[in-house]
Amino acid sequence: GAVVSQHPSRVICKSGTSVKIECRSLDFQATTMFWYRQFPKQSLMLMATSNEGSKATYEQGVEKDKFLINHASLTLSTLTVTSAHPEDSSFYICSASPSGRANEQFFGPGTRLTVL
Amino acid sequence: GENVEQHPSTLSVQEGDSAVIKCTYSDSASNYFPWYKQELGKGPQLIIDIRSNVGEKKDQRIAVTLNKTAKHFSLHITETQPEDSAVYFCATRGSTLGRLYFGRGTQLTVWP
Repeated sequence: GAVVSQHPSRVICKSGTSVKIECRSLDFQATTMFWYRQFPKQSLMLMATSNEGSKATYEQGVEKDKFLINHASLTLSTLTVTSAHPEDSSFYICSASPSGRANEQFFGPGTRLTVL
Repeated sequence: GENVEQHPSTLSVQEGDSAVIKCTYSDSASNYFPWYKQELGKGPQLIIDIRSNVGEKKDQRIAVTLNKTAKHFSLHITETQPEDSAVYFCATRGSTLGRLYFGRGTQLTVWP
């Protein structure tokens, strides 16, 4: 149980285009989902926290107009990187907390974004 | 906010030996302490966790100990195997609901 999927697993795009990443909780409902960014050999950096049906809460320094987050259902959250640039290239990982178990977070497999 | 320190940053052990990774934290309100294993190119996987009302928890070859007074917790892996090689992250959940604070990670290498 507690499986989280992400799609796509890797994506290459041209500078200036937008990319959407999906995060799904497959066997549980998730009131809260989290989006992280990870650079090589570094720890996970929290970008934003999203609660189903409400606006996401962004961490300091994360541009909300650039990283659009939508959490429209209890099993799906999306991250859209708008007008992507090479510096946005990174490993993006989502996690989800089962409803009623706010302590626990289960992570997706990650999405490798490369912006040319 | 919470400050989580993790040591060592790299750890090499011989197969069959034990490995210990230690973390300290600053927020005395932290009450949940998970450990994650991350293999190259994959997302972190929860391997064990402990809550603040417990001092030790064990799951087969893996154990976690917590000292709330000293604000530190440790991951112990016994009888290590090459497939234990990965990056391990400690984390804490503090007063902000749901938010986890991560250590910098430990690259564990188990040599056959």
